[in-house]
Amino acid sequence: GAVVSQHPSRVICKSGTSVKIECRSLDFQATTMFWYRQFPKQSLMLMATSNEGSKATYEQGVEKDKFLINHASLTLSTLTVTSAHPEDSSFYICSAQGEGPGNEQFFGPGTRLTVL
Amino acid sequence: GENVEQHPSTLSVQEGDSAVIKCTYSDSASNYFPWYKQELGKRPQLIIDIRSNVGEKKDQRIAVTLNKTAKHFSLHITETQPEDSAVYFCAASKGGSYIPTFGRGTSLIVHP
Repeated sequence: GAVVSQHPSRVICKSGTSVKIECRSLDFQATTMFWYRQFPKQSLMLMATSNEGSKATYEQGVEKDKFLINHASLTLSTLTVTSAHPEDSSFYICSAQGEGPGNEQFFGPGTRLTVL
Repeated sequence: GENVEQHPSTLSVQEGDSAVIKCTYSDSASNYFPWYKQELGKRPQLIIDIRSNVGEKKDQRIAVTLNKTAKHFSLHITETQPEDSAVYFCAASKGGSYIPTFGRGTSLIVHP
């Protein structure tokens, strides 16, 4: 299957700082990328959908000014958590959806964010 | 919007037994139903999927069934092995966007 990378895999930061997470589709062009948040022992919560070259579509309850998403190319999307607070600590996972009959999603390995 | 219910939340079986995880969905327009396996701290991996024009699909020890009338679909794992232990998520989506709605997950524990 297609490969999606995510960087960094783990980050620890101080409260008030901003953190950028990168999501890359390595061997295919991703027309759409998704950002999820997952708390321990819970399901994947969709935060936003981003399409290359256009503004992201945020799910209800997700602050777009706090979680900045940029999808500048068909292989790269970034999520920036601005002014992070301890409650933002979570596992953030991106996924990429390619073109083709299946339109399956391929997930990145996730980023564990810990805000002190 | 779509609502996906998944049961059970935890399933404990002995090695060699079968495991069944069930999901229901609310939107009759949903037409794509993937299943993901997620090991602790790792990414969800697609293990099998089914589309609404098919009632059953099988891949070795894994099978998925779909009942469109009742709006439910199930994952069946036969001859379970300890390495099958993980959290399994079902999902439902519709249309060209294929943005899935995930179930809450089932933690499958296979005892040797």
